[in-house]
Amino acid sequence: KAGVTQTPRYLIKTRGQQVTLSCSPISGHRSVSWYQQTPGQGLQFLFEYFSETQRNKGNFPGRFSGRQFSNSRSEMNVSTLELGDSALYLCASSEGSLNTEAFFGQGTRLTVV
Amino acid sequence: DQQVKQNSPSLSVQEGRISILNCDYTNSMFDYFLWYKKYPAEGPTFLISISSIKDKNEDGRFTVFLNKSAKHLSLHIVPSQPGDSAVYFCAASEKGRGKLIFGQGTELSVKP
Repeated sequence: KAGVTQTPRYLIKTRGQQVTLSCSPISGHRSVSWYQQTPGQGLQFLFEYFSETQRNKGNFPGRFSGRQFSNSRSEMNVSTLELGDSALYLCASSEGSLNTEAFFGQGTRLTVV
Repeated sequence: DQQVKQNSPSLSVQEGRISILNCDYTNSMFDYFLWYKKYPAEGPTFLISISSIKDKNEDGRFTVFLNKSAKHLSLHIVPSQPGDSAVYFCAASEKGRGKLIFGQGTELSVKP
């Protein structure tokens, strides 16, 4: 079974631009969550999608948004990029039922210059 | 407000000995706990989990202990191997909520 696939792996953007990151979950998994990892803040939860609906949301500004498609693939969008958005963005997939393990992708390293 | 804390940023252990990584939490609503291992520039790899109805879960060399009254969990790795060297994160979730709250991580170094 293929793991969680995130594209692209690396991205460099300019302040003020917007970016879209993609995540393909493990086959059969219906929940996709997004996390941001920075040296200062650690791993922080952005949001979770389940069956195309946002089920949970973290404490990030509205510039961070996401969506999930009928095939469970998910995209995350960040608009009006700031230097502080530079981070490793991680996607995790799980079956979606209570208390199941989440499996992470390799991440997308975003650098904002 | 850090709800999950790993107070030791680093730990060094000799190969073959036991590694004990600790994690404390403050939210009594957490009912599911997980440990992940992470290498730089890669996503976390799931290691082991435990539900709040248990106090111990074992998988090969990895054992997780949960002390609910102390709001404390620990990961034991026996015997430790050089390949175990990585950053270890504990994470917690509330029932019915699909988000994980992570600790800051502990960097384990296993020396040959």
